[in-house]
Order: sequence, then structure tokens, then C-alpha cells
Amino acid sequence: DTGVSQNPRHKITKRGQNVTFRCDPISEHNRLYWYRQTLGQGPEFLTYFQNEAQLEKSRLLSDRFSAERPKGSFSTLEIQRTEQGDSAMYLCASSLMAGGPQEQFFGPGTRLTVL
Amino acid sequence: GQSLEQPSEVTAVEGAIVQINCTYQTSGFYGLSWYQQHDGGAPTFLSYNGLDGLEETGRFSSFLSRSDSYGYLLLQELQMKDSASYFCAVSLYNQGGKLIFGQGTELSVKP
Repeated sequence: DTGVSQNPRHKITKRGQNVTFRCDPISEHNRLYWYRQTLGQGPEFLTYFQNEAQLEKSRLLSDRFSAERPKGSFSTLEIQRTEQGDSAMYLCASSLMAGGPQEQFFGPGTRLTVL
Repeated sequence: GQSLEQPSEVTAVEGAIVQINCTYQTSGFYGLSWYQQHDGGAPTFLSYNGLDGLEETGRFSSFLSRSDSYGYLLLQELQMKDSASYFCAVSLYNQGGKLIFGQGTELSVKP
């Protein structure tokens, strides 16, 4: 296992279109996180899963965003009716659930550009 | 709300020592992590402090003072490859390990 992978790496879309990103975590990791990062800022938490259960969604995440993690393996993040403000790098990270906060392993990200 | 403050940029020369500070205001603080991110790359974990004191990992050390809501990352024997952005991030009790990141410090290492 070479780490967290994300596809696609880049996505250019027109405003109003729907997009879907995929994240494949490290296989034995039961926690999976989605973050969004814009230029010059730190990653911003969006949502996280423990196995297949989505346990928290950021209040910043509008109803146009939805995430799934069927069977507790890979995850998808869908953005409906994209807006120019959605342009960002979308990062996925995974970790083991243990006694305390654990190191998160980040994927390379999907860079979304909304025209 | 939660907030973290760190300097936006720091410049140092090869071989030097640099300290990047981070102050935070959070409720339910659990621990402080540090991540490195090169341009166009993914954040990678450097260090974690759950208790007060110093944690050392090779050339990198991290310090936490919970009473002062303050931590720092110390980088020694700087190398050109250390030029990157450095983020402090807090984790909170009962929040599933999610991280709240600072805005990052861009470190430039000069020859």
C-alpha cells in the first residue's frame, strides 16, 4: 500500500455542473477525513468518517456537498451545482482510530477549478 | 470559536535554527500537531504534543505549554529542502481526531 490516493488530480468544470471526487485511504485505516484548502490558507475541515459512518459535517459544508464511504473503504465527495467559490484543493486524509489523536496521512488532493 | 495564530512567513539561512510559534484559542483542546507542506504537495505529519514539554524527532522538535495555549516547532540544521509551509493544527476532545489548522508559516531557507 503506497498511501492515500485521490482521483482525479485535477478537475475543471463549468459553474452549475456536478463533480465527484474519490479517495482511497490506507487500507487498514478506519478514519477518513475531507478537507478543503485554498491558496495561502491551511486545510479546512469538511467532514469525517469512522468506518462507513459519517460522524461530523462542518457547518461550512452546504447542502450542495455530500460525502459517502460505502463499506468503510473508499470515499466519494460530490459537489452539486458548483460555484466559483468551490474552486480549491480538496484533500483526503486517513488515520487509525486509537486511544488518542493519531497522525493523519494526506493524499495528493484534487484541484477543482470552476469556470 | 477556534483560532490559531502563526507568523505568515519566516526566512533563515542554511545551517541555522528557526522557531515557528503557534498560539491557539480553543475549547476542548486535546493536542497540537505540526504538518509540513511543500508547494503542490500534500501535508505531511511532523510532530504531535499532547502533554506539556518538548518532543524531539531528529532535526525537528516541538513544544507545548497548555497553560499558555502556546506551542512552537523548532527546526535545526536547516537545509534548503526545509523550505515549505508549516502548519500547526489542534485536535479537540471527542471530535474524532479532526484537525483545525492555522494559516501556515512559509519558511524560506537561503543559502
